[in-house]
Amino acid sequence: EVQLVESGGGLVQPGGSLRLSCAASGFTVSNNYMSWVRQAPGKGLEWVSVIYSGGSTYYADSVKGRFTISRDNSKNTLYLQMNSLRGEDTAVYYCARDDGWLYFHHWGQGTLVTVSS
Amino acid sequence: DIQMTQSPSSVSASVGDRVTITCRASQGISSWLAWYQQKPGKAPKRLIYAASSLQSGVPSRFSGSGSGTDFTLTISSLQPEDFATYYCQQAAIFPLTFGEGTKIEIK
Repeated sequence: EVQLVESGGGLVQPGGSLRLSCAASGFTVSNNYMSWVRQAPGKGLEWVSVIYSGGSTYYADSVKGRFTISRDNSKNTLYLQMNSLRGEDTAVYYCARDDGWLYFHHWGQGTLVTVSS
Repeated sequence: DIQMTQSPSSVSASVGDRVTITCRASQGISSWLAWYQQKPGKAPKRLIYAASSLQSGVPSRFSGSGSGTDFTLTISSLQPEDFATYYCQQAAIFPLTFGEGTKIEIK
C-alpha cells in the first residue's frame, strides 16, 4: 500500500528556515516524479515543486531561489528545504506522487507551516 | 502562466441532481487536465486524469470531457459523499496550475 507521511511543519518567524520531510512506503521515491503542493488556509491548491525520477527539478516562481526539493534514496524520503520564509508561505504542505504525467495520484496528509512573528 | 478558470465557484444541489463544473484554460493544453475532489481537512483525491480517464476506484457517476481550452466534470447523480470542493489542474506546461475550486453544497 502506498503511504506518504509528511513532517517538519511548525511555526517559524519571517526570514526563517524549515525543512519538510515526506517519508514514503509502498513504492520507491527515486523511481517516481514527486511534488510538493500547498494550500493556504481557506484557499485553493498551489503547486510548489517537482523532482523527476532522473533528478531534474522545477519550481513555482513564488518559491524559486528560496525553496529546494530533494530526496534521500536510502531513506526513501522526499524533502523541501524552505528558506527566507514569508507570511504568504503559510499553508498546509502536501507531498504527492504522480504517475509520470504530472497528475497527482497519491497524497500525504499534509503538514502545516505557519510563518509569523 | 496558464490560468485555469472554474465555474461556478459554488453550487447548491440536491442528492440525485446532475452537476456539471467547467474549467477553462487560458491557452490550449490538449488533454493535459486532471480533476480532484477535496473534503474539509483532507488531502485531495484524484478523480479524472488526461481529461476523461476515470481514476481506478472512482464511481462511474463521475466523468470528464473536453480538450484544448474547455473542460467539464460531470456528476450524473449526486450522492451525499460528493459534497466537497473540486479542482481542475493543468499538466501541460510549468508552472502546473489549479483552478480556484468549485464547492458543491447541499441545497
